[in-house]
Amino acid sequence: DSGVTQTPKHLITATGQRVTLRCSPRSGDLSVYWYQQSLDQGLQFLIQYYNGEERAKGNILERFSAQQFPDLHSELNLSSLELGDSALYFCASSVSALGSYNEQFFGPGTRLTVL
Amino acid sequence: AQSVTQLGSHVSVSEGALVLLRCNYSSSVPPYLFWYVQYPNQGLQLLLKYTSAATLVKGINGFEAEFKKSETSFHLTKPSAHMSDAAEYFCAVSASTGGFKTIFGAGTRLFVKA
Repeated sequence: DSGVTQTPKHLITATGQRVTLRCSPRSGDLSVYWYQQSLDQGLQFLIQYYNGEERAKGNILERFSAQQFPDLHSELNLSSLELGDSALYFCASSVSALGSYNEQFFGPGTRLTVL
Repeated sequence: AQSVTQLGSHVSVSEGALVLLRCNYSSSVPPYLFWYVQYPNQGLQLLLKYTSAATLVKGINGFEAEFKKSETSFHLTKPSAHMSDAAEYFCAVSASTGGFKTIFGAGTRLFVKA
């Protein structure tokens, strides 16, 4: 158990819909990362937050957005869903965003299926 | 900018044989290097990390990796494979020039034959 929790575990929805994925980082971790993992694209970094502020952006679509709240939990919002958005979405957290302290602890993931 | 290349998307070994998973990195400044493992239907888990303290790094489950600056490599090894080692392995790099953004490799799936 990494200490990172993600809800829900599974999500099935239809094209065009909007969903919210939730992540609670390990106690004491200030950085939260979101990743998308699919068979064809592999592990793709989406976005990182550090202590409530956006710190780094990866291959995140404009239809996707995220935020980190004062209690440090984070939410990833996916809208206008397409079939290709079906994937595993991982959240990870780290103590810091710098140096060796950014080893990341991953949650169990949310499996999103868009029908 | 940093990058990491994992050679071989699939590696198959027999139980008890040496495991060697290859990773080469690119970085203009001293990097931090990581190996993560992902078991089926689970998130990634840190196996080991290099932070410039020692070039030979020992991790969990009997794995180790050696940082070789001259070869820009950080290969992962285990002397004797076990069936439970079957998983996907990711090499990752992080450095100051990239704002310490962690770049993951494409992953290598390890198969262990009985």
